[in-house]
Amino acid sequence: KAGVTQTPRYLIKTRGQQVTLSCSPISGHRSVSWYQQTPGQGLQFLFEYFSETQRNKGNFPGRFSGRQFSNSRSEMNVSTLELGDSALYLCASSPGSRSGAYEQYFGPGTRLTVT
Amino acid sequence: EDQVTQSPEALRLQEGESSSLNCSYTVSGLRGLFWYRQDPGKGPEFLFTLYSAGEEKEKERLKATLTKKESFLHITAPKPEDSATYLCAVGSSASKIIFGSGTRLSIRP
Repeated sequence: KAGVTQTPRYLIKTRGQQVTLSCSPISGHRSVSWYQQTPGQGLQFLFEYFSETQRNKGNFPGRFSGRQFSNSRSEMNVSTLELGDSALYLCASSPGSRSGAYEQYFGPGTRLTVT
Repeated sequence: EDQVTQSPEALRLQEGESSSLNCSYTVSGLRGLFWYRQDPGKGPEFLFTLYSAGEEKEKERLKATLTKKESFLHITAPKPEDSATYLCAVGSSASKIIFGSGTRLSIRP
């Protein structure tokens, strides 16, 4: 099976712009989660989608949003970018329907740099 | 509040020198405890899932164990290629997965 794919792999944006990141989960996985990883804060949970519905959300401002399509592919959007949004954004898919009970398979990440 | 704490933050070992990494957790209803390995600039790679106290899983030089309050990742006779950051995560009945801050493991040849 193909793994989790994320596009683009690298992105440079200017403060105030917006960005959309894409994630394709492993075939058959309906749960997709997004994380932000920075050296100082570690892995921070953004949100989880299951069957096109957001069922969990982390403590991030409303500038961070996401959605999931009927084929389980997911996108996350960050509007009005700030310098502090520079991070590695990771997408993970999971095989089970019960949140928190199954392992996650991570993509390679999108490295976002905000200047 | 659900919490996951990993120790030590960093560990340097000589090749062949066995040791253990610790993951302590407090969670309202454990749904699963997960170990991952992460290499620099890459996404975490799944290693093990543990569901109940007393459970053990093994893979090559790694062995994960679970008690009601903590999990250990034992590394036996490590090699330089085992150098990575090891992450512990807990799934709770609040339907969330919380990650620890990780242990950076370095194995010297």
